[in-house]
Formats: sequence, structure tokens, C-alpha cells
Amino acid sequence: NAGVTQTPKFRVLKTGQSMTLLCAQDMNHEYMYWYRQDPGMGLRLIHYSVGEGTTAKGEVPDGYNVSRLKKQNFLLGLESAAPSQTSVYFCASTRDTRLNTEAFFGQGTRLTVV
Amino acid sequence: AQKITQTQPGMFVQEKEAVTLDCTYDTSDQSYGLFWYKQPSSGEMIFLIYQGSYDEQNATEGRYSLNFQKARKSANLVISASQLGDSAMYFCAMREEAYNTDKLIFGTGTRLQVFP
Repeated sequence: NAGVTQTPKFRVLKTGQSMTLLCAQDMNHEYMYWYRQDPGMGLRLIHYSVGEGTTAKGEVPDGYNVSRLKKQNFLLGLESAAPSQTSVYFCASTRDTRLNTEAFFGQGTRLTVV
Repeated sequence: AQKITQTQPGMFVQEKEAVTLDCTYDTSDQSYGLFWYKQPSSGEMIFLIYQGSYDEQNATEGRYSLNFQKARKSANLVISASQLGDSAMYFCAMREEAYNTDKLIFGTGTRLQVFP
């Protein structure tokens, strides 16, 4: 049982390049989230999805786009990467709307924009 | 607005001693859930403990307990009998019960270092 898998694990981009981070979960979870983690800032929510075909903005959505065409996948796109987007990105999923459902996390993607 | 505050950037504790990591939160919702996660140096996020806003008793999971004070809007994590393996970042998080706005928000974290 793979859980939550992020692809790729590491990436270096040049300023202005675009890329897509893939998050895949095999637990049939409804909710999926993208976070970025920066030193001293904790995990900040970028975008999230409450179900297939739906997305919503989180705390820091600017410069990112997302799509949830299939329930198991949640894609995070950077159209024109900037050095400020250098960060570690985490994807997470939760089973349903019940408050006590824990979030399961991927292993993270370390992105460097030069 | 939903917000989590962790005011301790770093904490030190001696092995076998207990330590309390602070977490305060802000919400206008009556129904919410509070979580603690551990992030070791390897980077993965590990779920530790959950407390619901309507739970009458403080949550406990092995050496972890949550000191929940609803009126003060605090949800402090207590680790008893600290071990060297407890050295990690610890994050407090909150989820509100609001239809179709199911955000899971984290605090900035506390780095705990356990020394022999």
C-alpha cells in the first residue's frame, strides 16, 4: 500500500520555467492538499481539493495552479517559476469530512529555483 | 479566521524528562479538530494525536497527551519520559467543520531537541 506518492522528489528549475508536481494517493481519499514548507514558516496551504473536479485556494495560492481531474491525483503547477518558490512541497490527503480523520502525507518534493 | 500559533521556535529537554509544546488557535467555529504531527530530520510527517472540540477528556496516545483548554483556545502537547528519538519538529494543526471549506491549517512548528 503506497499511500501518498509525490513525483518528483527533487527538482532544480531555472527562473521562468514551468513544471508540474504530481501527487497520487491510493486510499480513495476525498480531500487532498498542497503545502509548502519554508524555514520558520511551518506548512502553508497552497491549494486544496474537496473532491474530484473541485479545487480551492489556500493561504498562499499566488503563482500556483492545481487540477484534480481524477480522484486519486492532485497536480500542482508552476507556470513561471520564481526563486521565491524555492521550497519543500508536501501533498496530503484525508479520507472524508469527519474532523478526526488524520492527514496522510507524501515524502515531499524539494524544489530549487535558480 | 482560522489560525494556529506556536510561540516556541525551539525547546530543549533532557532525556526521561517531560516537555510541553505550546499551541494556541483561533477559530469562530464551534466544531473543530486539533492535531499534532512530528517531523523528524528525515522529513516525513507523522501523526501523533487528535483532540476534538467536543471531547470532554484530554486525548492521550502512549507518551503523548494533549492538554486541551478550550476557554483559553490552547492545545498543548505533553511528551512524557522524553527519548532521544523524540528530537524533531512538531507541528500543531487545526481543521474546522465547515461545509466545502475543509482547510487543514498548520502552525510554524517547534523544534524539540532531547539531550542525554
